[in-house]
Amino acid sequence: KAGVTQTPRYLIKTRGQQVTLSCSPISGHRSVSWYQQTPGQGLQFLFEYFSETQRNKGNFPGRFSGRQFSNSRSEMNVSTLELGDSALYLCASNRAEGTGELFFGEGSRLTVL
Amino acid sequence: AQSVTQLGSHVSVSEGALVLLRCNYSSSVPPYLFWYVQYPNQGLQLLLKYTTGATLVKGINGFEAEFKKSETSFHLTKPSAHMSDAAEYFCAVSEDTNAGKSTFGDGTTLTVKP
Repeated sequence: KAGVTQTPRYLIKTRGQQVTLSCSPISGHRSVSWYQQTPGQGLQFLFEYFSETQRNKGNFPGRFSGRQFSNSRSEMNVSTLELGDSALYLCASNRAEGTGELFFGEGSRLTVL
Repeated sequence: AQSVTQLGSHVSVSEGALVLLRCNYSSSVPPYLFWYVQYPNQGLQLLLKYTTGATLVKGINGFEAEFKKSETSFHLTKPSAHMSDAAEYFCAVSEDTNAGKSTFGDGTTLTVKP
């Protein structure tokens, strides 16, 4: 069974640009969550999508957005990039049927110059 | 609101020694608790979880954790450390096992000395 797949794994952008990250969950998992991981702030919850609807949202500015498609694949977008957006962005899927455990991808490492 | 505190950002043990990583949580409802491990340049992998039932939970790679409601703790232990256990460990709490939102601690980096 394939795990959670995130693309791209590494990317470099400059301030003011925008970026789109992609996540394919484990087959059968309908919930996809996104987390930002930085040395200073640790793991911070961005948002969760379930059945193409945003179900939960963390405390991030509106520059951070996401969506989920009918096949459960998800994308997140960050517009007007800032230096502080440099981070590892982790996607996690779960079955959304009471187990609570998250299955993480290897992440997309974003560097903003 | 829920929160997690991991005591000690760095823990160093000798190979074969006991591993003890501390986690305390705060939750307004009965919590669901998790320990994850992260190796360099990888995502997080579940070690073990507590949802309901037995308070002593066994996980992968010989790790276990005990849920103590009175102490609001969920400490992770392993009787004998291996070099391969060197990694970063995260404690997490969730108030809804149907949802993908968990609150994570700041992590504890485990170093294993030969």
